Amino acid sequence: SYELTQPPSVSVSPGQTARITCSGDALPKQYAYWYQQKPGQAPVLVIYKDSERPSGIPERFSGSSSGTTVTLTISGVQAEDEADYYCQSADSSGTVVVFGGGTKLTVL
Amino acid sequence: QVQLVQSGAEVKKPGASVKVSCKASGYTFTSYYMHWVRQAPGQGLEWMGIINPSGGSTSYAQKFQGRVTMTRDTSTSTVYMELSSLRSEDTAVYYCASLGRDSSDLGDYWGQGTLVTVSS
Repeated sequence: SYELTQPPSVSVSPGQTARITCSGDALPKQYAYWYQQKPGQAPVLVIYKDSERPSGIPERFSGSSSGTTVTLTISGVQAEDEADYYCQSADSSGTVVVFGGGTKLTVL
Repeated sequence: QVQLVQSGAEVKKPGASVKVSCKASGYTFTSYYMHWVRQAPGQGLEWMGIINPSGGSTSYAQKFQGRVTMTRDTSTSTVYMELSSLRSEDTAVYYCASLGRDSSDLGDYWGQGTLVTVSS
């Protein structure tokens, strides 16, 4: 079955830039989405269609794509950005939705 | 405003079934797919399947084929997810999500989650 691979954890100091990667063979053909999840809360969409930002999401969140890897970049990380981040996409047929395993972002 | 309101927490015994509801408001119910996602304690997100509220067609993750049924009631703008033959590993928070831009986009709006506990 299709898998998306994320690093389990990323740590950055406040004000620095955090980059979270997500790899999958179908990513050149399928869009990626990124969700932020804080403890006890439902996920929140922060990036859609690889690089688009929903309304209300701060500009410091951005997304990019290169081949089989997509990247979520958080510029000028703030303490409130500490959360789990999940990438999501679909298999090559577009019919099966898949999540990455999640990345815990720690703000030091 | 858009809202997805889920039914309350459930406690079930192994082997039983559970039916979770997700009532939509604030948008045209039949215009957007509805997805179901679950999250076991301390674990990641897991996609369960999708229903098209317009015609009722469904597609389920292979892992849940034969155990999950998603239905909808257009008169009340409600989607249901029923999971049968429950086992302890099904203990999780179950979410509905909608208003995606296409069928693989879960969307900006998620329900509050429903905790299902399977325990003898």
